Amino acid sequence: GAVVSQHPSWVICKSGTSVKIECRSLDFQATTMFWYRQFPKQSLMLMATSNEGSKATYEQGVEKDKFLINHASLTLSTLTVTSAHPEDSSFYICSARVLAGVSGANVLTFGAGSRLTVL
Amino acid sequence: DAKTTQPTSMDCAEGRAANLPCNHSTISGNEYVYWYRQIHSQGPQYIIHGLKNNETNEMASLIITEDRKSSTLILPHATLRDTAVYYCIVRPLYDKVIFGPGTSLSVIP
Repeated sequence: GAVVSQHPSWVICKSGTSVKIECRSLDFQATTMFWYRQFPKQSLMLMATSNEGSKATYEQGVEKDKFLINHASLTLSTLTVTSAHPEDSSFYICSARVLAGVSGANVLTFGAGSRLTVL
Repeated sequence: DAKTTQPTSMDCAEGRAANLPCNHSTISGNEYVYWYRQIHSQGPQYIIHGLKNNETNEMASLIITEDRKSSTLILPHATLRDTAVYYCIVRPLYDKVIFGPGTSLSVIP
């Protein structure tokens, strides 16, 4: 089945530094990927939609200059948290769109997530 | 506006069927019903989806009412590993996936 690999699974960084999270589709091409963040005991919040070869579309309230998304190939999307601060500490999860079934109804395959802790 | 309503939490005895309800009374004709689940500290996992017919796969069954205003996800023989948050999502085919609070299912030994 379709597998999405996300790396790193956890990262600790100092305040003010930048952190890059990679999301790879291992056995399929993903023209569209999605980035979510999740705070403890809360649901997933969509941050942005990443389309290969074009600029990402950010959800309302998400700072595009702080959360840089690059989708330079059909198998790789990256999220860079720039100048990270403690309030950016969260669980970041990527997903890719995969066709499913005879109807072709899109489903999402998710990475395992990346837990970011900013000190 | 929330498109779906789910109970906040449910318990189920191990080995019994878990029936998770979802209300989507404002569903449109082109919107599918999708179910995902998230086990603690992991990425979500796709379970099943349907448009209007009942669906079954190796993980679960999806029962959609005739008027499509509600559905039920059935895990036929719940195990401890099925403890997770279950999300019912209604959306058109190519739309983005927005998660609500979901139902926290606890499978009890």
